[in-house]
Amino acid sequence: AQKVTQAQTEISVVEKEDVTLDCVYETRDTTYYLFWYKQPPSGELVFLIRRNSFDEQNEISGRYSWNFQKSTSSFNFTITASQVVDSAVYFCALSEGGSGTYKYIFGTGTRLKVLA
Amino acid sequence: SAVISQKPSRDICQRGTSLTIQCQVDSQVTMMFWYRQQPGQSLTLIATANQGSEATYESGFVIDKFPISRPNLTFSTLTVSNMSPEDSSIYLCSVDGGPAYTFGSGTRLTVV
Repeated sequence: AQKVTQAQTEISVVEKEDVTLDCVYETRDTTYYLFWYKQPPSGELVFLIRRNSFDEQNEISGRYSWNFQKSTSSFNFTITASQVVDSAVYFCALSEGGSGTYKYIFGTGTRLKVLA
Repeated sequence: SAVISQKPSRDICQRGTSLTIQCQVDSQVTMMFWYRQQPGQSLTLIATANQGSEATYESGFVIDKFPISRPNLTFSTLTVSNMSPEDSSIYLCSVDGGPAYTFGSGTRLTVV
């Protein structure tokens, strides 16, 4: 069955520290998509990245980077030089199937607190 | 990507009453999804709404409690019926906005 595990419930770091949020997934499909979303205190969900199961290249976007490893079923998210504005709950999600746009399964989220 | 307007943004309701949440999308979409996020919890899919057919509900959710309408390709409503304090949650609608789901800003419901 599908499952997404975010073992870190809450992380606190001091501004400018690097922080990695872990995500481990389970699926029987060979075709699937993985996502990260950010939920700031205002409550909306902000899409950060999508990665398909056939693309294991790591991705960097500014201070954000993602490490996808099929061998360990992990899709970890690193924020470099964290800032107070990064404080939010971060969700990892999995979608099975060729389109990658149906029935997301979300992890329980990691609350990141960046202290000034 | 699609832009979703969801309302109300928040409400406080008496137990036993019903609340209807609306989502308007700025483009036509085939499927709309309704999620619930209980306090401090993750998102759980309630149902998938296709235009012109009955919604498909996930295990643990029933149409009598969460009736959904989908009258056209840009609009959907979710009603939370006969509310109890356990229904206090954030309710979010979502569409396939390419390359991922786009979410509405959510309805923060408190049942007293």
